[in-house]
Amino acid sequence: GENVEQHPSTLSVQEGDSAVIKCTYSDSASNYFPWYKQELGKRPQLIIDIRSNVGEKKDQRIAVTLNKTAKHFSLHITETQPEDSAVYFCAARFSGGYNKLIFGAGTRLAVHP
Amino acid sequence: DADVTQTPRNRITKTGKRIMLECSQTKGHDRMYWYRQDPGLGLRLIYYSFDVKDINKGEISDGYSVSRQAQAKFSLSLESAIPNQTALYFCATSEPGLAGNEQFFGPGTRLTVL
Repeated sequence: GENVEQHPSTLSVQEGDSAVIKCTYSDSASNYFPWYKQELGKRPQLIIDIRSNVGEKKDQRIAVTLNKTAKHFSLHITETQPEDSAVYFCAARFSGGYNKLIFGAGTRLAVHP
Repeated sequence: DADVTQTPRNRITKTGKRIMLECSQTKGHDRMYWYRQDPGLGLRLIYYSFDVKDINKGEISDGYSVSRQAQAKFSLSLESAIPNQTALYFCATSEPGLAGNEQFFGPGTRLTVL
């Protein structure tokens, strides 16, 4: 069935370190992979996304990589700051249209000063 | 600014009661979604709609129903609420697109069923 697995569930880093969150998906026809950030008490907001025709995308301190063969994608945050502390969700758009996203369970990232 | 809004923001109810959560958007998007968020389980899709005549079940539709009253309004109903429906509920919208598009979330409704 349609499934997205996300690891780790919690991640604690020191300010300035890098953080990596990994996701795997089940549907080889998936073609769109967004990452959402949810700060405490707030709504999820898109921070970066990647489509299946590219292998990597960067936006300042964040980057996402996609390995279609292995069906996994990762979020990389460099030079972490306390304001990066949040829950991060990966998602995959499954085949069949409708822009239907299946989300991972989330990673709670804590950046300590 | 164009936005997605949800009412109520918080609701406490009792087992067996009928509850309606409402979502409105001024983004002009055709596609609307309802999710529930539980700790450790992420966001799970309940129902989604691509226009007023199109309603589809998501991963966890049992115990829920929806109504798309207009392009801008999408309501979620719990016909007979039960305690395990206690959760944070989000509405979201998106534009159409064959390759996938950003979903914009509302602020959420925290529902507690006693």
